[in-house]
Amino acid sequence: EVQLQESGPGLVKPSQSLSLTCSVTGYSITSNYWGWIRKFPGNKMEWMGYISYSGSTSYNPSLKSRISITRDTSKNQFFLQLNSVTTEDTATYYCARYPFRGGFDYWGQGVMVTVSS
Amino acid sequence: DIQMTQSPSLLSASVGDRVTLSCKASQNIYKYLNWYQQKLGEAPKLLIYYTNSLQTGIPSRFSGSGSGTDYTLTISSLQPEDVATYFCQQYNSWLTFGSGTKLEIK
Repeated sequence: EVQLQESGPGLVKPSQSLSLTCSVTGYSITSNYWGWIRKFPGNKMEWMGYISYSGSTSYNPSLKSRISITRDTSKNQFFLQLNSVTTEDTATYYCARYPFRGGFDYWGQGVMVTVSS
Repeated sequence: DIQMTQSPSLLSASVGDRVTLSCKASQNIYKYLNWYQQKLGEAPKLLIYYTNSLQTGIPSRFSGSGSGTDYTLTISSLQPEDVATYFCQQYNSWLTFGSGTKLEIK
């Protein structure tokens, strides 16, 4: 069974970087696409970006200058880094599998990240 | 950016009712439309992909339809466990989500 689990700090200070890890079991990240999505207080959902089976990436244009998604295939993990965060980046962050041109079919439970001094 | 507008934002219906949720895109998305269900405290669950394809394991009371800019998720007979927020998501151009419809039992 495919399982994803997000991990990382729950509190980040403004202007710092947010770094999260998604650990995948039951499926290799060298197949398929793997994405990050966030849900803001008030319900708005935003796709942030994804990394492909080959390591290529695609990012939401609204975040392109601040975001980086990388991976460690030896650990079957992929990572999110979001730079220069503000309170507007407070959200629950999810990682998910993305069969390209389909839907996000397996999701982690999500990690709540608060940006506050 | 393609904007996705869902209506209504809140829907209250009785068990057994046929329920219809709407999602409208700001431009033609050529059926590249998914639906998700999110229950309180849980991760979203994919229900429908490519407008009308039922994801494995999803009950057949859920169905999707639409084309162009207008799409619909239908629950043929509402069950208590269907209480959730439902999101649409387009993937014709980048990926964007609708603002959600919260479904309650009357």
